[in-house]
Amino acid sequence: DTAVSQTPKYLVTQMGNDKSIKCEQNLGHDTMYWYKQDSKKFLKIMFSYNNKELIINETVPNRFSPKSPDKAHLNLHINSLELGDSAVYFCASSQDIHRSYEQYFGPGTRLTVT
Amino acid sequence: AQKITQTQPGMFVQEKEAVTLDCTYDTSDPSYGLFWYKQPSSGEMIFLIYQGSYDQQNATEGRYSLNFQKARKSANLVISASQLGDSAMYFCAMRDSLTGTASKLTFGTGTRLQVTL
Repeated sequence: DTAVSQTPKYLVTQMGNDKSIKCEQNLGHDTMYWYKQDSKKFLKIMFSYNNKELIINETVPNRFSPKSPDKAHLNLHINSLELGDSAVYFCASSQDIHRSYEQYFGPGTRLTVT
Repeated sequence: AQKITQTQPGMFVQEKEAVTLDCTYDTSDPSYGLFWYKQPSSGEMIFLIYQGSYDQQNATEGRYSLNFQKARKSANLVISASQLGDSAMYFCAMRDSLTGTASKLTFGTGTRLQVTL
């Protein structure tokens, strides 16, 4: 019954590694997002996809590459992980791009880079 | 320039009392939406309430209400009859169309609310 799910919930890895976070929504929404929440709890948009098409890319290093195989999935791949990538990453979805009254968030993935 | 401002890093309220969490915003877009989210210590983000810029009435959802003052560009969250389970971080967020898409949410820095006995 989970509306927006993310895996894994926790991810601990070393600098330089490559890792992926998966996100799936079963709400039938057209639009999906990745947000990053830093250690001070500040939330910032990273990417947004609408019907598998990238519509927002917020000056994120190109080590971060989102992929949307279908509109129910939005995965985030991170290459050459750095210490500063440690954060909680939230996936979210909304009904569509124009009238997104609310965005439903996944439980978050806590990434720790050592 | 920061578009969403939450000036209260932390607030305390006694159980059963009402509390107001402040939020001011800045946009030149006449069409925008304002949201409040709750983040308990478990980490998930829970949608609470939405106010559209053209809505004539203040939004209400159960014990949550939004005090929307358009001219002052404020959208304060009022929680009535506080409960211990209301202890959490609260984020104000805005969606506007200035980036060319209305889907992006811009968040404030949050207010940590602690409900005491």
